[in-house]
Amino acid sequence: NAGVTQTPKFQVLKTGQSMTLQCAQDMNHEYMSWYRQDPGMGLRLIHYSVGAGITDQGEVPNGYNVSRSTTEDFPLRLLSAAPSQTSVYFCASRARWTGDTEAFFGQGTRLTVV
Amino acid sequence: DAKTTQPTSMDCAEGRAANLPCNHSTISGNEYVYWYRQIHSQGPQYIIHGLKNNETNEMASLIITEDRKSSTLILPHATLRDTAVYYCIVRVASGNTGKLIFGQGTTLQVKP
Repeated sequence: NAGVTQTPKFQVLKTGQSMTLQCAQDMNHEYMSWYRQDPGMGLRLIHYSVGAGITDQGEVPNGYNVSRSTTEDFPLRLLSAAPSQTSVYFCASRARWTGDTEAFFGQGTRLTVV
Repeated sequence: DAKTTQPTSMDCAEGRAANLPCNHSTISGNEYVYWYRQIHSQGPQYIIHGLKNNETNEMASLIITEDRKSSTLILPHATLRDTAVYYCIVRVASGNTGKLIFGQGTTLQVKP
């Protein structure tokens, strides 16, 4: 069971470039989220989804787009990368209707924008 | 979701119990207390959660005060591999969006 898989693990972008961070889960979880973590700080929520076709903004959504066409995948798109988006990005998933369940996190994508 | 307050850092001797406190004085009646930890910038890992009663699993124990305004995560026999940042989070469990609001957490250093 792979859990939550993020690709790539590392990426270097030039300012202005675009890219998509991939996140896939094989647990049939309804809820998926994207977080960023800057050095020495806790995780901050970027966008989240409660199911296919439904997304919403978190604490720091600017500069990022998401879509959820399938239950399994929740890609995060950077339209025009900026140095301020240098960070570690984590994707998480969680089952919806099983009460108090925990979230499962991927191992992160380390992004550097130069 | 209620806000939490944790100490920035703590030390613990290897083999001893690590007691990590968390204040959540504005917690609502339907909000659970969750604990996650993050080792070496890996993805956060779930540890334990509870509502009112004390809870124990293979990783840790969670002690929640009777007024629910604070809690303590206990690692009974800390090892060097328990060195991590520990996050205390409170949120509504059932029917919520799955969002987790992370604070700064407590950096636990387990020393030989």
